Amino acid sequence: GAVVSQHPSWVICKSGTSVKIECRSLDFQATTMFWYRQFPKQSLMLMATSNEGSKATYEQGVEKDKFLINHASLTLSTLTVTSAHPEDSSFYICSARDLGQRYEQYFGPGTRLTVT
Amino acid sequence: AQSVTQLDSQVPVFEEAPVELRCNYSSSVSVYLFWYVQYPNQGLQLLLKYLSGSTLVESINGFEAEFNKSQTSFHLRKPSVHISDTAEYFCAGPPGADKLIFGTGTRLQVFP
Repeated sequence: GAVVSQHPSWVICKSGTSVKIECRSLDFQATTMFWYRQFPKQSLMLMATSNEGSKATYEQGVEKDKFLINHASLTLSTLTVTSAHPEDSSFYICSARDLGQRYEQYFGPGTRLTVT
Repeated sequence: AQSVTQLDSQVPVFEEAPVELRCNYSSSVSVYLFWYVQYPNQGLQLLLKYLSGSTLVESINGFEAEFNKSQTSFHLRKPSVHISDTAEYFCAGPPGADKLIFGTGTRLQVFP
């Protein structure tokens, strides 16, 4: 149980285009989902916390107009990287928290974004 | 500020040797701690967690970690490592809120 999927697993896009990444909880309901960014050989950096039916809470320094987050249902959150640039190239990982949990998060497999 | 510190960025070890990956935390509130493992180009998998109760927690693949309140540590150990244990290991804990904060990670490299 507690499986989180991400789609796509990797994507290459041209500079200036937008890319949408989906995060789904497959066998549980997640009121809260988290989006992380990971640079090569570095730790995870929390970008935003996404709550179903409300606006996402962004961490300091993360541009909310650049990284649009939508949490439309209890099983789906999306991250859209708008007007992507090469510096946005990174590994994006989402996680989800089960309704009954407070701290434990289940992680997706990640999405590798390369902007050319 | 609350934090999670992993003291070793890399730990090289030979197969079948014991290993310890160190993690220290600072927190003034209730402590919940996690160890996650990340294989190349993959997401994070929960290895084990301490929420309450017994201070020694074990995973199904032979890892264990001990919560030590006096030393504010949650070190990960395995008595005999395998090549397949080669991965990045992250210690994580909540800073008193709903978010997790991660240590900088320790790269475990197991050599034959």
